[in-house]
Amino acid sequence: DAKTTQPPSMDCAEGRAANLPCNHSTISGNEYVYWYRQIHSQGPQYIIHGLKNNETNEMASLIITEDRKSSTLILPHATLRDTAVYYCIVRSSGGYNKLIFGAGTRLAVHP
Amino acid sequence: ETGVTQTPRHLVMGMTNKKSLKCEQHLGHNAMYWYKQSAKKPLELMFVYNFKEQTENNSVPSRFSPECPNSSHLFLHLHTLQPEDSALYLCASSQDKERGGDTQYFGPGTRLTVL
Repeated sequence: DAKTTQPPSMDCAEGRAANLPCNHSTISGNEYVYWYRQIHSQGPQYIIHGLKNNETNEMASLIITEDRKSSTLILPHATLRDTAVYYCIVRSSGGYNKLIFGAGTRLAVHP
Repeated sequence: ETGVTQTPRHLVMGMTNKKSLKCEQHLGHNAMYWYKQSAKKPLELMFVYNFKEQTENNSVPSRFSPECPNSSHLFLHLHTLQPEDSALYLCASSQDKERGGDTQYFGPGTRLTVL
């Protein structure tokens, strides 16, 4: 599975959009981009995933560049409860493949 | 609530004790996973079970012994652990899907302390 690069930390004001970048320049054609987050000492929570089209759900939007070498997770109106470590993971489709977690981005949302 | 439960939530044990961690998923999934998260380190995959068969053992020491009696239950049996085994142990489950691979859903974890 391709490796990802994320900034170690980011800040965001409450109510503003949080844009979390991820680089995955070695991604291959059958690999999806997944985003999870982990609030302190809890289990990781699935947010969203995509292959090449932009995706949106009730939690967030995922924007994937045309060359698929990078993506951005957007939390449109960040709240204090969105403070967490956000993980960007790329992995191939199908089966029961493992998720390889990196260090992620620690997002701090402040009033 | 993700549909994956873990018990106990906290466990303190001595190095000579034997204990077990339990995971149950109520999602009808066919794959289950154990992960370990030590302080200030990324999650590490330990074991993968698919349809009750172990399909991956990520070089885990034999003092950790998994058991998957059915697709809904997963255990991690612990014996003669070391203090460095203290960590958050996370269980996850997924369903093999044609599109998008399998999204894994995690339980809340068991915080283990080995004295």
